[in-house]
Amino acid sequence: NAGVMQNPRHLVRRRGQEARLRCSPMKGHSHVYWYRQLPEEGLKFMVYLQKENIIDESGMPKERFSAEFPKEGPSILRIQQVVRGDSAAYFCASSPNEGAAEAFFGQGTRLTVV
Amino acid sequence: AQKITQTQPGMFVQEKEAVTLDCTYDTSDQSYGLFWYKQPSSGEMIFLIYQGSYDEQNATEGRYSLNFQKARKSANLVISASQLGDSAMYFCAMREGPGGSQGNLIFGKGTKLSVKP
Repeated sequence: NAGVMQNPRHLVRRRGQEARLRCSPMKGHSHVYWYRQLPEEGLKFMVYLQKENIIDESGMPKERFSAEFPKEGPSILRIQQVVRGDSAAYFCASSPNEGAAEAFFGQGTRLTVV
Repeated sequence: AQKITQTQPGMFVQEKEAVTLDCTYDTSDQSYGLFWYKQPSSGEMIFLIYQGSYDEQNATEGRYSLNFQKARKSANLVISASQLGDSAMYFCAMREGPGGSQGNLIFGKGTKLSVKP
């Protein structure tokens, strides 16, 4: 049973380009969370999705960032027109349902904007 | 508002000794869960241990135990018999709802543990 899969592990983008980060939750998990970790910081919540629905996006920046979790396929975190301040590690976590306590994390995508 | 505070940016411990990593939390909810994660230099987040707010006994998982003091709102992680592989960042986190099952995790800033041979 594969864990949470994130790809790519490392992503380099020039300022102004788009970054797409993918997250495949664990088999049977329908809840996905995205977190961002800036250097020397803890993880900060960005968005919570269920299949085809955004449940809570209170941690998402108002501009340039969007997320989706389609009926088929991975969850995608999209950052348009990246800036140097977007450089961070982006983690995805999944859980099977709303009643589950633990969320299982992927290995993260490290985005570097040059 | 929910908040997690880890007051130790860095800690050193001698191999084979025990170490306690501090964590205090703030919430107005009666139902919540407390979590500890380990982040080695490779970057992944590894779940270590969980404590529900209504659990009467302190959680234990192998060499990890959680010293839960509800009245003080503290949830310290105790690592016994430290090993060199325990060197990593450690994050305390909280999630509200019955058993800590609702919404997102709130993380502290972490403690960097270094185990000395």
